[in-house]
Amino acid sequence: QVRLQESGPGLVKPSGTLSLTCAVSGGSIIANNWWSWVRQTPGKGLEWIGEIFHGGSTNYNPSLQSRVTISLDMSKNQFSLNLTSVTAADTAVYYCATGGIRGRPGDWGQGTLVTVSS
Amino acid sequence: EVVLTQSPGTLSLSPGERATLSCRASQRVATSYIAWFQQKPGQAPRVLIYGSSYRASGTPDRFSGGGSGTDFTLTISGLEPEDFAVYFCQYYGSSPITFGAGTKVEIK
Repeated sequence: QVRLQESGPGLVKPSGTLSLTCAVSGGSIIANNWWSWVRQTPGKGLEWIGEIFHGGSTNYNPSLQSRVTISLDMSKNQFSLNLTSVTAADTAVYYCATGGIRGRPGDWGQGTLVTVSS
Repeated sequence: EVVLTQSPGTLSLSPGERATLSCRASQRVATSYIAWFQQKPGQAPRVLIYGSSYRASGTPDRFSGGGSGTDFTLTISGLEPEDFAVYFCQYYGSSPITFGAGTKVEIK
């Protein structure tokens, strides 16, 4: 069982870029195949943002694809999320997780609240 | 995109009672890619069931999943105090991965 820990700014200005990192411990990032980002809001519920494979290929939710980049840093055993041109609608609790498309869902981080506000 | 509709929105039951939660998909989906999560206040969702009916590590055997086609269920055979929470279904067979809106199981 791996442990996941999200980190990053809790406040981002409108039109700015949201950047989060997920540190993986208790296992190697190359040992698991799928690494995902999911966000949750009271209004829209749970929304899958995208995934990255240990080989580096990615899949993104079409609703966010134009603004999202997920990357992997094997040297630090972590993966990251960048979401550009944010608005108040991007205010949410952001989770990193194992699992993805056709990949068994697994462990989640505790989540981090990101607020978009000036 | 597969839309998942969960019912009921809220289930009011007493400890020891049986809970049956429903998740309906907007199109036929492979049973291999339905999961169920439990979420308690202030916590991240935790996977209970994957592949429609396989218990994740640490999931008590009072939890069972089933169904096929468009209709899937999560059954809790006898509610324990720690089971009162919100439950979500998930489809992870294609992009985008989608979640249902959740069923809240509350103490009656």
